[in-house]
Amino acid sequence: GAVVSQHPSWVICKSGTSVKIECRSLDFQATTMFWYRQFPKQSLMLMATSNEGSKATYEQGVEKDKFLINHASLTLSTLTVTSAHPEDSSFYICSAAPGSGETQYFGPGTRLLVL
Amino acid sequence: KNEVEQSPQNLTAQEGEFITINCSYSVGISALHWLQQHPGGGIVSLFMLSSGKKKHGRLIATINIQEKHSSLHITASHPRDSAVYICASFLSNDMRFGAGTRLTVKP
Repeated sequence: GAVVSQHPSWVICKSGTSVKIECRSLDFQATTMFWYRQFPKQSLMLMATSNEGSKATYEQGVEKDKFLINHASLTLSTLTVTSAHPEDSSFYICSAAPGSGETQYFGPGTRLLVL
Repeated sequence: KNEVEQSPQNLTAQEGEFITINCSYSVGISALHWLQQHPGGGIVSLFMLSSGKKKHGRLIATINIQEKHSSLHITASHPRDSAVYICASFLSNDMRFGAGTRLTVKP
């Protein structure tokens, strides 16, 4: 089946630093990639949707200048948390869709802890 | 705005029991996903359905478009089924997630 990887799987950083998370579709081309955030004991929250070569569409309440998304190729999207603060500590998950339909394949997630 | 509600929030069952998790949504959608999230956080898409019923092994998912309701059933439940099950509605690129159902299956 389709595989999506994320790197790193976990990261600890100091407050004020920027953290980049990569999401790759390993065996298919992803027309669309999605970024989600999940706080402990809560459900997933969609942060943004990105299509290759165009600007990401952010959900209401998600700061686009803080969460920079780059979908530079059909197999790679990156999420950069700029000037991270402790409240950004969360579990970040990406998913990738091979076409315009609704099928999505999820990455394993990245745990971010900002000290 | 589409609201997605799941029930129950928590469910504990004995191995072998038949499990049902329910999901309701408030507006028309193009598809509904059932996701499984294991304790480590990894998410697996179990089903995507827009009508009728789908079956995969011991898992069955049904959807009633008119009633805006979907159910996930697990037959002959097993401790390895213990996970959080999340339903998500999908319309264009807009996804809305239920709060999840935490299932614990005891041996």
